Amino acid sequence: AQSVSQHNHHVILSEAASLELGCNYSYGGTVNLFWYVQYPGQHLQLLLKYFSGDPLVKGIKGFEAEFIKSKFSFNLRKPSVQWSDTAEYFCAVPDDKIIFGKGTRLHILP
Amino acid sequence: NAGVTQTPKFRILKIGQSMTLQCAQDMNHNYMYWYRQDPGMGLKLIYYSVGAGITDKGEVPNGYNVSRSTTEDFPLRLELAAPSQTSVYFCASSYSTGGQPQHFGDGTRLSIL
Repeated sequence: AQSVSQHNHHVILSEAASLELGCNYSYGGTVNLFWYVQYPGQHLQLLLKYFSGDPLVKGIKGFEAEFIKSKFSFNLRKPSVQWSDTAEYFCAVPDDKIIFGKGTRLHILP
Repeated sequence: NAGVTQTPKFRILKIGQSMTLQCAQDMNHNYMYWYRQDPGMGLKLIYYSVGAGITDKGEVPNGYNVSRSTTEDFPLRLELAAPSQTSVYFCASSYSTGGQPQHFGDGTRLSIL
């Protein structure tokens, strides 16, 4: 079965810094990939998704992710973070159910 | 456009009490899920359902029960509440699995004292 690993459990950045959160999945073949965001006290919301085609996927709020098949990776990026990006971010891979990573807590210092 | 609705939002139970967490979706989704979220542990799947009348265990089903009598509703039952069940519970739904993302409810924060 698929598994997902997120390398960073807790990331602290200053505003305007660049962000990259790592995500690796366990095996290849046809794969769909998601990033979800959970703002403090809220539920998970879909940030972006990859189904096929262009490996660089653009999502909401200036986020993007790049699917690199050879590295089994789907890292999330943002060139310049804002204080409002403080949240927990989850990478997810659909299998027979959706498999979520353990999440990365991002804290942006104003 | 309600999406996924969970009730209650907060609840405190005493050890040994029982309760039902309600979840309803109005998107005609076949798949529904219950997760619990504990700090630093991500989401753990408790139970899921692929359609009315069909349920299956997830990663952490012990101490919980579910039913799916209609497409819209997927209640989660705690029979004998234990402190280890203190958590935030999220219900989610999706049209199918595979490439379809899940839609989440706002969560139920449950404390067992």
